[in-house]
Amino acid sequence: QKEVEQNSGPLSVPEGAIASLNCTYSDRVSQSFFWYRQYSGKSPELIMSIYSNGDKEDGRFTAQLNKASQYVSLLIRDSQPSDSATYLCAVNRGSQGNLIFGKGTKLSVKP
Amino acid sequence: GAVVSQHPSWVICKSGTSVKIECRSLDFQATTMFWYRQFPKQSLMLMATSNEGSKATYEQGVEKDKFLINHASLTLSTLTVTSAHPEDSSFYICSARDPREGQAGELFFGEGSRLTVL
Repeated sequence: QKEVEQNSGPLSVPEGAIASLNCTYSDRVSQSFFWYRQYSGKSPELIMSIYSNGDKEDGRFTAQLNKASQYVSLLIRDSQPSDSATYLCAVNRGSQGNLIFGKGTKLSVKP
Repeated sequence: GAVVSQHPSWVICKSGTSVKIECRSLDFQATTMFWYRQFPKQSLMLMATSNEGSKATYEQGVEKDKFLINHASLTLSTLTVTSAHPEDSSFYICSARDPREGQAGELFFGEGSRLTVL
């Protein structure tokens, strides 16, 4: 089983809709979870971080964490064409704090 | 926020030559930096953890003699791809965390370096 799994997509949603991105992880001791956005040819940029069970909202983005189910999700409300990118789920691993990334979900928001 | 800068952003080299990529933390001191590699349509794969003043820690399957990492100062880590071959062509990205934010803080990424080996 891969450490961090995501549906590779592509996920296509119309402009203004809610995009839902999902991620599961295998290491139960993981404590920190991140969502990064990566545009083609660019390096990742942090969208959200979440450390506790429940929801965390930041503008149009909501991250959800369920440690019992080892599940993390990202909701993007009022999706915009500029949100079209690959979204990477990352989990903190190791004492030095490196991150393990999922393969990413490609999101396409159609005007 | 903290900034990590990488150079060069892209490089083309001939097979058999060596290429050095620099990673700098611009407004914080990083005792640890992480080097990732990303092949097309693949995720970021951790190659090694660079430790200031000591040897780097390499992930399983990464050749330490091929990918030389030097972390000589608290703001600079370098990755040298020695005797590069076409299969080494990839997007190399470094990252670091501001130690003042602790282990759970944001991991900042450099701009990435795209290596093409002819």
